[in-house]
Amino acid sequence: DAKTTQPPSMDCAEGRAANLPCNHSTISGNEYVYWYRQIHSQGPQYIIHGLKNNETNEMASLIITEDRKSSTLILPHATLRDTAVYYCIVRVADSGGYNKLIFGAGTRLAVHP
Amino acid sequence: ETGVTQSPTHLIKTRGQQVTLRCSSQSGHNTVSWYQQALGQGPQFIFQYYREEENGRGNFPPRFSGLQFPNYSSELNVNALELDDSALYLCASSAGQEFNQPQHFGDGTRLSIL
Repeated sequence: DAKTTQPPSMDCAEGRAANLPCNHSTISGNEYVYWYRQIHSQGPQYIIHGLKNNETNEMASLIITEDRKSSTLILPHATLRDTAVYYCIVRVADSGGYNKLIFGAGTRLAVHP
Repeated sequence: ETGVTQSPTHLIKTRGQQVTLRCSSQSGHNTVSWYQQALGQGPQFIFQYYREEENGRGNFPPRFSGLQFPNYSSELNVNALELDDSALYLCASSAGQEFNQPQHFGDGTRLSIL
C-alpha cells in the first residue's frame, strides 16, 4: 500500500505557483520522498526527491516538514504544459534488501489560462 | 544522453498467448524495474533487476518473468495472457539501487489482450 495521501485534484492559474501537498506520516528514517508526474500516454517523469532538507532544481522545489510527515511540491510559475497527474511517493525498503517505488492515485493538476 | 526506450509501443495479443516486452536502460544505469499500470491507476511494481539478477518482486504471479542482459537492457515476459493483463507496461532504470538514485521511466508498451 502507498504510504502517501494526496488530494485527488487541484486547479492552478497559469503563471501562478502550484503548491501540491502530500502526507506521509509513517515514513521511516532512511526513506526518501520522491515526486513524479505523468502526462497522458507518457511514462512518469522524475521531478525531484529529498530526505529531510528542502530541495530545489530547475523544475520545482520540495519542502519537507521538520518531522518529515508531510511535504509540498512547488511549481513556481505553472504553465499549461504542467497539467498532469503528480505522484508523491515514499521509496520503501523491502525485506529482500532492495527498495521500490509504491505509487498511489496521485493529484490531477489542471493549469488553466 | 539517450533515455529509457521501450519496444514495441503498442501490442495486441489474445488470451493464452505469450508476450515479450523490451527495455533499453539509460546510459550508465545498471538497475531496471518493471511496472504495470492499469487504466486510471498508478503504476504497480512488478520486479527489479540488478546486475542480471532479479532482486525484488511485487505481488505478481510467476507467469511474469524477466531477464537483464550484460548491457543492462531488459525483457519482461508474460505467459498465458489474461484479459486483466491489458495495461501500460513501464520500464525504469537507475544508476544503482540506493534510495537516492532516481528511477527514470520510458514511455511504456501498451498491451491489449483480446
